[in-house]
Amino acid sequence: GAVVSQHPSWVICKSGTSVKIECRSLDFQATTMFWYRQFPKQSLMLMATSNEGSKATYEQGVEKDKFLINHASLTLSTLTVTSAHPEDSSFYICSARDQDRLNTEAFFGQGTRLTVV
Amino acid sequence: GQNIDQPTEMTATEGAIVQINCTYQTSGFNGLFWYQQHAGEAPTFLSYNVLDGLEEKGRFSSFLSRSKGYSYLLLKELQMKDSASYLCAVRDRWQAGTALIFGKGTTLSVSS
Repeated sequence: GAVVSQHPSWVICKSGTSVKIECRSLDFQATTMFWYRQFPKQSLMLMATSNEGSKATYEQGVEKDKFLINHASLTLSTLTVTSAHPEDSSFYICSARDQDRLNTEAFFGQGTRLTVV
Repeated sequence: GQNIDQPTEMTATEGAIVQINCTYQTSGFNGLFWYQQHAGEAPTFLSYNVLDGLEEKGRFSSFLSRSKGYSYLLLKELQMKDSASYLCAVRDRWQAGTALIFGKGTTLSVSS
């Protein structure tokens, strides 16, 4: 089946630094990828929609200058958490849907556990 | 607005059958998904319904009634490994750039 790979699976960083998370679709092309954040015992909250070759669409309340998204190719989207603070500590998950099979499920990456100390 | 409701927690015993309900109110509808998520891991796909009726896949079945805005996930012959969070999600439009809207998830605990 289709696979989405997310890297790193976990990262610890110091407050004020930036962290980049990669999301790759391994065997299909995706013009659109989605970034979610999940706090403990909460559901997945959509942060932004990443569009290949154009600007990302951010959900209300998500700071676009803090969470930088780049979707430079049909198989790679990156999320950079800039000037991270402890409250940014969370589980970040990306997902993508095969653009040639739109009426199918979205596939999720393994998730990235970010801890800001 | 968009709203997806499902029970917060459920408990069951090994070998039993459990039904997890989900009701939704969305601006549009283009499919309902069920995912399983173990703690600290990404969700894995279980089922997809876009037409009314029951979809069966092994021990798991999912039902949809679009007129009632209602779905359920049925898990049979429960095993300890089924202890996880079950997420109901709706796609409200057809377009490629449409993200899934998730409910808060139902934490299922299976005991022996």
